Amino acid sequence: DQQVKQNSPSLSVQEGRISILNCDYTNSMFDYFLWYKKYPAEGPTFLISISSIKDKNEDGRFTVFLNKSAKHLSLHIVPSQPGDSAVYFCAASRPGNTGKLIFGQGTTLQVKP
Amino acid sequence: ETGVTQSPTHLIKTRGQQVTLRCSSQSGHNTVSWYQQALGQGPQFIFQYYREEENGRGNFPPRFSGLQFPNYSSELNVNALELDDSALYLCASSEGLAGYDTQYFGPGTRLTVL
Repeated sequence: DQQVKQNSPSLSVQEGRISILNCDYTNSMFDYFLWYKKYPAEGPTFLISISSIKDKNEDGRFTVFLNKSAKHLSLHIVPSQPGDSAVYFCAASRPGNTGKLIFGQGTTLQVKP
Repeated sequence: ETGVTQSPTHLIKTRGQQVTLRCSSQSGHNTVSWYQQALGQGPQFIFQYYREEENGRGNFPPRFSGLQFPNYSSELNVNALELDDSALYLCASSEGLAGYDTQYFGPGTRLTVL
């Protein structure tokens, strides 16, 4: 049962343009959502998070939007840079299940110069 | 820099064998979580340890077991290896148990079971 889904395995954008990565979830109990970035031969690196009491969180070029009614979140990267090319995972957790992150399958982002 | 290290980097075992993977957390991080990442998939939660006690487990059989030591090191042990155990094994450490505590991942151990 895939509770967190990233339906786009890959995304290619031009440098300087916006990258939008999407994530859907099925469990309405999730109250905290995160995005991780992973380069080859490295572990996932925390990027940005959002609590379910918010609908937007911004950190520099990265913004995460949460639509609870649609059980959907997205990560916007503006402007995209070649160094952003990596696999992006969204993850979710719920109260009482502290630290147990449920990950999506990942989306490979390629930013072309 | 996360400061989480894992050893070995790569490992090849045969079916039925046993394996021990090691993780060294950041100093002061009392929580360590282990994840299995199969090819093309996201990490799957195996279990979590807090102050040397197991604190939650995912849908993995008992042949997956762990230990956490006072010096911020930990182990993942897998008995009776199966072909499907071939994956990248990641450990992640965090300060406490709050869901909002950032988890810092190590680079992983790539296990191949033949």
